[in-house]
Amino acid sequence: QSALTQPRSVSGSPGQSVTISCTGSSSDVGGYDYVSWYQQHPGKAPKLMIYDVSKRPSGVPDRFSASKSGNTASLTLSGLQAEDEADYYCCSYAGSYAAIFGGGTKLTVL
Amino acid sequence: EVQLVQSGAEVKKPGESLKISCKGSGYTFASYWIGWVRQMPGRGLEWMGIIYPGDSDTRYSPSFQGQVTISADKSISTAYLQLNSLKASDTAMYYCARLRTVTTPFDYWGQGTLATVSS
Repeated sequence: QSALTQPRSVSGSPGQSVTISCTGSSSDVGGYDYVSWYQQHPGKAPKLMIYDVSKRPSGVPDRFSASKSGNTASLTLSGLQAEDEADYYCCSYAGSYAAIFGGGTKLTVL
Repeated sequence: EVQLVQSGAEVKKPGESLKISCKGSGYTFASYWIGWVRQMPGRGLEWMGIIYPGDSDTRYSPSFQGQVTISADKSISTAYLQLNSLKASDTAMYYCARLRTVTTPFDYWGQGTLATVSS
């Protein structure tokens, strides 16, 4: 069971927008609307940012948005801020009571 | 307030066993799944498995099936992750996290337990 494919790194300047992709297969991302995204700052536990493809938990800024098309999910951060610099992981339900994470993307705010 | 508090850092030798605990509070522990996630040094998150403390229904990622044991004691609101015959490659941060159902995300996370395996 291979990890979902994410770019290793993305970058953007404050105020800009960046998009992180997450590519899987019809057995995971493409097969279910259960994709979530997590933000992880160095030395910290991950934090849920998006669930069910595009829903934001309470307290997550609306600068974070997400979508899915076929076997690829995407997370978009608009109006980049310095505190957005972190690692981002997608996660998808993969059937049979299991899920799978993406390899992670390091976001650098220039 | 929902909290998941994990046991402290561990240093073990190859071949030894390790059992990490995750104590939940602030919610009905038996009614939510608890999952375990591995993060090796400098690497990404890996979904290991989940358990429903209410009836101890346990599911494993194929990658971890047979390599780890997940258990729970709902009477003390605690879940466990056990690794036997430790290898240096088991050195990692291990997180527990809560999920409402098997298709919902991890909404609350423990602080992580660093396990170091070294001779």
